[in-house]
Amino acid sequence: DGGITQSPKYLFRKEGQNVTLSCEQNLNHDAMYWYRQDPGQGLRLIYYSQIVNDFQKGDIAEGYSVSREKKESFPLTVTSAQKNPTAFYLCASSLPGREQYFGPGTRLTVT
Amino acid sequence: AQSVTQPDIHITVSEGASLELRCNYSYGATPYLFWYVQSPGQGLQLLLKYFSGDTLVQGIKGFEAEFKRSQSSFNLRKPSVHWSDAAEYFCAVGTIMIYNQGEKLIFGQGTELSVKP
Repeated sequence: DGGITQSPKYLFRKEGQNVTLSCEQNLNHDAMYWYRQDPGQGLRLIYYSQIVNDFQKGDIAEGYSVSREKKESFPLTVTSAQKNPTAFYLCASSLPGREQYFGPGTRLTVT
Repeated sequence: AQSVTQPDIHITVSEGASLELRCNYSYGATPYLFWYVQSPGQGLQLLLKYFSGDTLVQGIKGFEAEFKRSQSSFNLRKPSVHWSDAAEYFCAVGTIMIYNQGEKLIFGQGTELSVKP
């Protein structure tokens, strides 16, 4: 079955540590996205990538970094510079000009 | 700037009653419009989408939505709600990125639906 996988489902880290969230898709989609979801704030775009080896900042990119070395993979690193990293992180992908499909999400807790 | 407003943060309906969730958008061109549903702790599932053509669109799970350009609205409806419809619903407007690759989605804040037995 085609789809988007995110791992792990739950992630716990100490303050000051970088952490990398995985996102893999086997839908052969060109575009991939990372969103952050906080209660009562909907989803906000962190980074997006339209093709391999290229990505752009979204609305809240500060404290995050990404890479796109393969079409199938778009990992997100939450760095120690992110002031409020505890959130639910969602990865999505799409064909050009089409709807986005979402993964199941990773809940990150930083204490 | 583009924006999406879902005026109702929380709605409660009785099982079997009809449902309408409101969505208003602000966008300078013809928008791409979406409704997604999210169960607690899960990802988002696409309910339906509007790209062009017929302004009444049908989606999965018996949902439909109507695009009204004059009112800048894209309200979601269901004639008879089931207990399993309890979830959070997000309206989104899509803006074309450069090179016409992919969509930037702008989401509303969501409407939480509770269903009374």
